[in-house]
Amino acid sequence: EADIYQTPRYLVIGTGKKITLECSQTMGHDKMYWYQQDPGMELHLIHYSYGVNSTEKGDLSSESTVSRIRTEHFPLTLESARPSHTSQYLCASRAPNTGELFFGEGSRLTVL
Amino acid sequence: AQKVTQAQTEISVVEKEDVTLDCVYETRDTTYYLFWYKQPPSGELVFLIRRNSFDEQNEISGRYSWNFQKSTSSFNFTITASQVVDSAVYFCALIGTGTYKYIFGTGTRLKVLA
Repeated sequence: EADIYQTPRYLVIGTGKKITLECSQTMGHDKMYWYQQDPGMELHLIHYSYGVNSTEKGDLSSESTVSRIRTEHFPLTLESARPSHTSQYLCASRAPNTGELFFGEGSRLTVL
Repeated sequence: AQKVTQAQTEISVVEKEDVTLDCVYETRDTTYYLFWYKQPPSGELVFLIRRNSFDEQNEISGRYSWNFQKSTSSFNFTITASQVVDSAVYFCALIGTGTYKYIFGTGTRLKVLA
């Protein structure tokens, strides 16, 4: 069973608010990912991390930022949320030997 | 270029029917991995299977089976005797060695009707 956790599961906030979506894994994986997905639709890579202090932007341009100060923690921040940020955000970590991605349960963000 | 195509956007079947979800991929890598993930309504993606490019053996796990054919660049997924709990969106994915980026298909929504 995967040990990757995302909080909050659901969040409804007003425009202009700053939010941080938390993602933690206890598997010691170096590589972690953030995907944005409208429910049941395509996954879009928005951020990637090779390891501590290493982050890259993904294919989909995103106004969010990430940090990787500790191996187990990969939070995503939106400085000023807008309705266009309404989506589901999925965090994942990659098993080094098998390449399997372990996904968190997702954070569903609604910006009013 | 790498690409994964899941041409079936949505499939509806009646419980106990067999159903096959298609996945066709493109890659120039000689070594790569293919995956299937299930996304139930709760939202998380659940790993189902991984296949590497050197292993063309078909695999069966309970009611699930996978047919990997390099000659046609396909990695199809069959559910036998479908159940309502199989209702979900299923994603096929590809990654080459030495890269970080997974290429996901657009997903196939499977609805199993009671």
